[in-house]
Amino acid sequence: QAVVTQEPSLTVSPGGTVTLTCGSSTGAVTSGHYPYWFQQKPGQAPRTLIYDTSNKHSWTPARFSGSLLGGKAALTLSGAQPEDEAEYYCLLSYSGARGVFGGGTKLTVL
Amino acid sequence: QVQLVQSGAEVKKPGASVKVSCKASGYTFTSYYMHWVRQAPGQGLEWMGIINPSGGSTSYAQKFQGRVTMTRDTSTSTVYMELSSLRSEDTAVYYCASYNWNSWGQGTLVTVSS
Repeated sequence: QAVVTQEPSLTVSPGGTVTLTCGSSTGAVTSGHYPYWFQQKPGQAPRTLIYDTSNKHSWTPARFSGSLLGGKAALTLSGAQPEDEAEYYCLLSYSGARGVFGGGTKLTVL
Repeated sequence: QVQLVQSGAEVKKPGASVKVSCKASGYTFTSYYMHWVRQAPGQGLEWMGIINPSGGSTSYAQKFQGRVTMTRDTSTSTVYMELSSLRSEDTAVYYCASYNWNSWGQGTLVTVSS
């Protein structure tokens, strides 16, 4: 089974910009992996921020964006707010409709 | 509104099985795949498998092959996840998620303890 890797932790200053990445042990991440990004706050279920690499939901703050960068999926936060402090997970899809989550990135806004 | 409501917390002994339900409402049940995800205490998310509520076909993560069974009842818009041969490492919150990952259940805590 593939292994999906994320930075364990990142820190960003309020108003700053940070990029979280999501890599695959099988090679470059492509749009065919249909990358998803989820945000999870303590005690809550995850919620989807980005789907299919770069698409946003109506509830996704405009400061979040998704892309492919250097063979990885990326989530960029521009203009970080204190409420963005959370755990972020990426999910990649593989053959047979199987999904694999990354280990998560704990984002601190400080 | 779209809603997934899961069954309540369970306490099981090692070696036993657990069956968690997830009842969908607010959308066409057979139009969206249902995923199951678990999260051990203080740990990350783990994808367990997926079921197509329309035909009942399933796909499971390699790690759970042979131990997990996902089924559905279209008459009640409910999906079930059964995990057998439980061990302490299976202690986790189990979530169902559907509507293209836009709706999640509230989570079901399964505790495996002797």
